[in-house]
Amino acid sequence: EDKVVQSPLSLVVHEGDTVTLNCSYEVTNFRSLLWYKQEKKAPTFLFMLTSSGIEKKSGRLSSILDKKELSSILNITATQTGDSAIYLCAVPSEGGSNYKLTFGKGTLLTVNP
Amino acid sequence: NAGVMQNPRHLVRRRGQEARLRCSPMKGHSHVYWYRQLPEEGLKFMVYLQKENIIDESGMPKERFSAEFPKEGPSILRIQQVVRGDSAAYFCASSRGGQGTYEQYFGPGTRLTVT
Repeated sequence: EDKVVQSPLSLVVHEGDTVTLNCSYEVTNFRSLLWYKQEKKAPTFLFMLTSSGIEKKSGRLSSILDKKELSSILNITATQTGDSAIYLCAVPSEGGSNYKLTFGKGTLLTVNP
Repeated sequence: NAGVMQNPRHLVRRRGQEARLRCSPMKGHSHVYWYRQLPEEGLKFMVYLQKENIIDESGMPKERFSAEFPKEGPSILRIQQVVRGDSAAYFCASSRGGQGTYEQYFGPGTRLTVT
């Protein structure tokens, strides 16, 4: 069964700090890895990483895929209180299907002023 | 430029009643996915639909749960004879279709409470 493990489960930082969130995966047929930000409502899509796109950046957020280590990190620099959320990592699941996302339990990030 | 829309946002049902959750995908998206998020757990895949077709319902309980995506109108997730354990947030996502992997965009969810 495919598996996604995120760490840490929760993290409390001060505004301005840099954070690194981790995601490791076990999947039969790797296709991609996706990062989402979930505040009180819908998970919001952040990045999708694939074998041909192992590094993505958007503003203060960046993500790298390490296919050798079967993992990915999400970096947030100069954190702001608005970054407080649950960050979810997901991979399309077993059997070659590219749609059945398996999610980790998420990292709860709290950024204090 | 509406995103994925779900309604209702909150739904309260007594045990034994039926719950109907609706999802309209983003414009241009023809694939719909339903996920359930139980308290303290991650999002779990339930079902994947295209117009008038259920492609994969492997994550959906065999009894009491059904889903459809008709030619016209929203996708519907239906839960019959709800029980307390059905209380959860139900999220719908949509994506473009075709070959390859496409990112899924999520709706705001329906929070179902069974009393």
